[in-house]
Formats: sequence, structure tokens, C-alpha cells
Amino acid sequence: DTEVTQTPKHLVMGMTNKKSLKCEQHMGHRAMYWYKQKAKKPPELMFVYSYEKLSINESVPSRFSPECPNSSLLNLHLHALQPEDSALYLCASSQQGRDYEQYFGPGTRLTVT
Amino acid sequence: DQQVKQNSPSLSVQEGRISILNCDYTNSMFDYFLWYKKYPAEGPTFLISISSIKDKNEDGRFTVFLNKSAKHLSLHIVPSQPGDSAVYFCAASGSGGSNYKLTFGKGTLLTVNP
Repeated sequence: DTEVTQTPKHLVMGMTNKKSLKCEQHMGHRAMYWYKQKAKKPPELMFVYSYEKLSINESVPSRFSPECPNSSLLNLHLHALQPEDSALYLCASSQQGRDYEQYFGPGTRLTVT
Repeated sequence: DQQVKQNSPSLSVQEGRISILNCDYTNSMFDYFLWYKKYPAEGPTFLISISSIKDKNEDGRFTVFLNKSAKHLSLHIVPSQPGDSAVYFCAASGSGGSNYKLTFGKGTLLTVNP
């Protein structure tokens, strides 16, 4: 299995809603990432988990809350988002020793209304 | 400060010809360089990488060249195929603890015409 899967593919939520994005990989990768990508821009790193521990938080607002329940799963909990948070949210994973080679999922297209 | 730059927003090439995508960087501490391909509504797909200690890496139709003195890398696709039409992102990462963080360029849209 060489895939990173993400659910849902699309999500529309209001500013008072609470929702979660899910990511799964079964490649045995020990690092997992959340990126945000706005239209016509490159992906921007949000969080990195290494061995199920949060190792990097790129000063992301607390309305985004990551969680890594086990080595294969990564969640991003969303609460009280703003319309400007609308973007493609990408999950990625990498194997130990080759963290520069990251494998991305298809993304969740999030719209905040 | 844009540390990884792709100065050509788009490139159009005939099928069967060579596509050359360029990328410049400013941070001499980058250790690895990568190319990703992205179709609309999909996540980026890893294509090929090169370590800073090498000057060339080849994988099938894809070859990446690194010129450290010029802080320049390029991706050659030979022969180009219509299915190669996508946005290509150049990315770079540091070493050790900063290995995780990829710095991306803004991307180049490649169109391969039949």
C-alpha cells in the first residue's frame, strides 16, 4: 500500500461548527504532516508528527488542533474557523531517514462559510 | 523572502520534445531538493529528489540536475508526454532536525501539446 488517504474530499462548514479531517497511511512511515494550500500557491507546512508526537507547529492558530491517535492515523480538528481558512488541506507522510521525501494524500477541500 | 524560486509560471512543449523546468534557491543550507507534480484537485506526487552532494539523478524519463555554485536545479523530462501536463513544484529541505520542513517554489504549469 503506497497511498495516503484523506477524508472527506470536500467539506463545507460554518464558522461555529466543529469538524475533523482524517488522514491514514499504511506504509509504516513514522512522520506525518499537515499542510495548507491556497489557490495558485505552494503548500505551507502546518504541523509535523514524528513517532506520534507533535514535533513542529508552524505557529498555527489554536482553532486548528492536530491529533495523532496511532502511527497510521492523523486528524485535524477544526473549530471556529474563519472564511480565510478555506483551502486545500493536505496530509503527507515520510519514512525515517528520508523525511525530505514526503508522500501526499489527495487533500480535503475545505470551504468555511 | 522567497528561498525557492520558480521564475517561469508556465511552459508549453510539443509531445516527444524535452521539457526543462528550472528552479533557483538562496539558502545554501538546503541539503535535499525535490520535484513534485500536481494535477488539479489532487495532492502533489513525489517525482524525484537529489542530494546536495550529487549533481545529477535520473529516474526513467526524469532527470534532475543540481548546480550548487549557481544555486540552481532543473528537471528534464524526455520525451515529454501529454500526461505530463501538470503543475511542477520544486522543493528543498535542510538536514537533521530541519529535514521535515519542505520549502516549495510557486510552481510551473507544464502543458505538453499532442
